[in-house]
Amino acid sequence: TQLLEQSPQFLSIQEGENLTVYCNSSSVFSSLQWYRQEPGEGPVLLVTVVTGGEVKKLKRLTFQFGDARKDSSLHITAAQPGDTGLYLCRAGNEKLTFGTGTRLTIIP
Amino acid sequence: NAGVTQTPKFRILKIGQSMTLQCTQDMNHNYMYWYRQDPGMGLKLIYYSVGAGITDKGEVPNGYNVSRSTTEDFPLRLELAAPSQTSVYFCASSFPLSTSGGRADTQYFGPGTRLTVL
Repeated sequence: TQLLEQSPQFLSIQEGENLTVYCNSSSVFSSLQWYRQEPGEGPVLLVTVVTGGEVKKLKRLTFQFGDARKDSSLHITAAQPGDTGLYLCRAGNEKLTFGTGTRLTIIP
Repeated sequence: NAGVTQTPKFRILKIGQSMTLQCTQDMNHNYMYWYRQDPGMGLKLIYYSVGAGITDKGEVPNGYNVSRSTTEDFPLRLELAAPSQTSVYFCASSFPLSTSGGRADTQYFGPGTRLTVL
């Protein structure tokens, strides 16, 4: 079973600050996804990365897939209260699994 | 399109009771999934289905059963509820990987069912 470790588990920062969260594994993946889950709702897909070293931007969010395709990072610039939520990575080859999650709180 | 709908939204069960969590999708997706999410944790796969009549176990199938008689519906059955099954249950659906061009499938989630077993 491939294990996706996300760090940090919890992160609470002030509005306007920058932050980075990580998704790590010892396995090589053909693709990796990031989802955001807001309180009381199901997760929603943010991005899919498939190429080692790939960088994708979604407004203030920057996603990077590691060169070896074993890890990924999500960087948020100038965090806003609307970024609050649980960030989940999902990766695999034939069968994809979710990571342990990072719970992000942005304080106004 | 309503997407993925789940009923009920909330339920409290006594130990030993049984219930069925309903899940319906109107996107004509072949794949459907059931996850549970314990407080502050990620998602664990209970069961999944790649099409009508086909189901398979995920990471944590014990204590649950599923069926897939139609493309649209994927109910999850708890036969003898236990306190360890207190959780939020999410249903999801997707197109198969081959339809996604070999990339990871995009999972569309329902709003969840919050279940408490006392």
